[in-house]
Amino acid sequence: TQLLEQSPQFLSIQEGENLTVYCNSSSVFSSLQWYRQEPGEGPVLLVTVVTGGEVKKLKRLTFQFGDARKDSSLHITAAQTGDTGLYLCAGANHAGNNRKLIWGLGTSLAVNP
Amino acid sequence: EAGVAQSPRYKIIEKRQSVAFWCNPISGHATLYWYQQILGQGPKLLIQFQNNGVVDDSQLPKDRFSAERLKGVDSTLKIQPAKLEDSAVYLCASSLRTSGRSTDTQYFGPGTRLTVL
Repeated sequence: TQLLEQSPQFLSIQEGENLTVYCNSSSVFSSLQWYRQEPGEGPVLLVTVVTGGEVKKLKRLTFQFGDARKDSSLHITAAQTGDTGLYLCAGANHAGNNRKLIWGLGTSLAVNP
Repeated sequence: EAGVAQSPRYKIIEKRQSVAFWCNPISGHATLYWYQQILGQGPKLLIQFQNNGVVDDSQLPKDRFSAERLKGVDSTLKIQPAKLEDSAVYLCASSLRTSGRSTDTQYFGPGTRLTVL
């Protein structure tokens, strides 16, 4: 059974600070996605990483896929209150016809003014 | 482009009652998903449809949960009878289901928050 572990589970920081959240597995994934979910809304896709070692940047957010495609990290620079939310990683394997996503439990981030 | 629509947004029922949720996916999206999300946790896939066929329902508690997607568009998820532990947000998502090696983007609706008393 494939599992994705996210850490930390909860994070409370002040505006302007930097932070990193992690998504780890013992399994290899063909691709990994990061979603952000705000209260009362569904998750929204931030990025998909596919290649081992890949780094993608989205404004102040930097996503990295591990060389072995078993882990990923999300780094936020100079956090803002608008970054508050639940950050979810989800991995997929492209073997077979059903590319079910394996979801982590999420990191709940609170950025305080 | 209209997003995924869900209704109702909130529902409060007593245990042993029945409840139904409705989802209208993005037009043209072949794949539809129902997830259960406990507060502060990641989504748990309940059932996945490809057009009007079931692809995966391995985590659906079939003794009380049922879902259908008639005509391959709208879908309903029903719980009968509800238990206290069913209190959660029920999310519907859809994806285009393109061929090839790319991972489909799932587009989520706002969810239905169910409280079972």
